Amino acid sequence: ELKVEQNPLFLSMQEGKNYTIYCNYSTTSDRLYWYRQDPGKSLESLFVLLSNGAVKQEGRLMASLDTKARLSTLHITAAVHDLSATYFCAVNTGNQFYFGTGTSLTVIP
Amino acid sequence: GAVVSQHPSWVICKSGTSVKIECRSLDFQATTMFWYRQFPKQSLMLMATSNEGSKATYEQGVEKDKFLINHASLTLSTLTVTSAHPEDSSFYICSARHGYSYEQYFGPGTRLTVT
Repeated sequence: ELKVEQNPLFLSMQEGKNYTIYCNYSTTSDRLYWYRQDPGKSLESLFVLLSNGAVKQEGRLMASLDTKARLSTLHITAAVHDLSATYFCAVNTGNQFYFGTGTSLTVIP
Repeated sequence: GAVVSQHPSWVICKSGTSVKIECRSLDFQATTMFWYRQFPKQSLMLMATSNEGSKATYEQGVEKDKFLINHASLTLSTLTVTSAHPEDSSFYICSARHGYSYEQYFGPGTRLTVT
């Protein structure tokens, strides 16, 4: 069974600081996704990473993928309060998606 | 583009009754639809995958007789929770994918409360 683990599970950080969320998965995968979820809402797609070494950036968020290490990172630069949410990574193999445990991020003014 | 809707957005039902949740792709043909369940402060758990015109494939531990999934057209899939119990209370989210596209598009979710 494919396992997807994220750490940390909870992250409290001050505005303006940088931090990285890690996503490890247990087997080879076709693709790696990052999503954001606000309380009571569904998922918002952030990034899709399709190949080893892929790096994508949008605003203060940057995601990367190392398929050899089976590791993806989501880096937050100069955090702002609006980034407070839960972030999930997900791995796609064939026709199935497996979600990570989620990282609950709180950005403190 | 790529909008997925769910109806209802929330529903309260009594224990022992059945409830149907609809998932529609509004502007594309969804050859594959996924149903997830999410308990409070937990991750999404894939319940089943359905392809249009075929029987759904259920994940291990998901009772197919309790969670009936129908994917009758390329734009509509339904999840029926039969004989609902309080432990079925959860946030149910569908997503849809077209062909072999690598992206899946999520619906807004349905919050089910069974009393």
